[in-house]
Amino acid sequence: EAAVTQSPRNKVAVTGGKVTLSCNQTNNHNNMYWYRQDTGHGLRLIHYSYGAGSTEKGDIPDGYKASRPSQENFSLILELATPSQTSVYFCASGEGSNSDYTFGSGTRLLVI
Amino acid sequence: QQQVRQSSQSLTVWEGETAILNCSYENSAFDYFPWYQQFPGEGPALLIAIRSVSDKKEDGRFTIFFNKREKNLSLHIKDSQPGDSATYFCAASPGTGGYKVVFGSGTRLLVSP
Repeated sequence: EAAVTQSPRNKVAVTGGKVTLSCNQTNNHNNMYWYRQDTGHGLRLIHYSYGAGSTEKGDIPDGYKASRPSQENFSLILELATPSQTSVYFCASGEGSNSDYTFGSGTRLLVI
Repeated sequence: QQQVRQSSQSLTVWEGETAILNCSYENSAFDYFPWYQQFPGEGPALLIAIRSVSDKKEDGRFTIFFNKREKNLSLHIKDSQPGDSATYFCAASPGTGGYKVVFGSGTRLLVSP
């Protein structure tokens, strides 16, 4: 069954530390996305990718980097984590003009 | 500036009632409007979607009513069940270029038995 898998499910990080969130998809979709979800803001796009080797900035990229080493994998990197990056992060994959996404189950990140 | 706006942060209905979730948008270029359903602890999942050439899309108990002139749409959940309690996101995109999907802030629906 096609799926989007995120790891870890939960993460506690210290301020100033490096955090890497991982995402793997078996949908064979070209496009992958990273969102963060905060109360009152809905889903906000951080970075996205059109395929292996490509990364693009979304609406709120500051403080985040992304890496797409393969069709299946897309990582979100916080080089210097800050408490304001405490949130729930969702990875999604999608294809074509319908813009129908398949989301992972999320990673809950707490930066202390 | 919020391109896709959901008028209610939360909504409570009784079991068996019709829940109506409203959404409006600003960008006339938006052509495709999916609704996503999210249960606690899970990621959003596509529920139903409509293209701007249609004014209604029905799938079981879920119906989207779309008004292109007024730039608004609504999701009707007929015969609401407690299992429908979830957060519903209205989204919009130009229909090409999947990255341009814009999500509303979500409406949390509670269906009371």
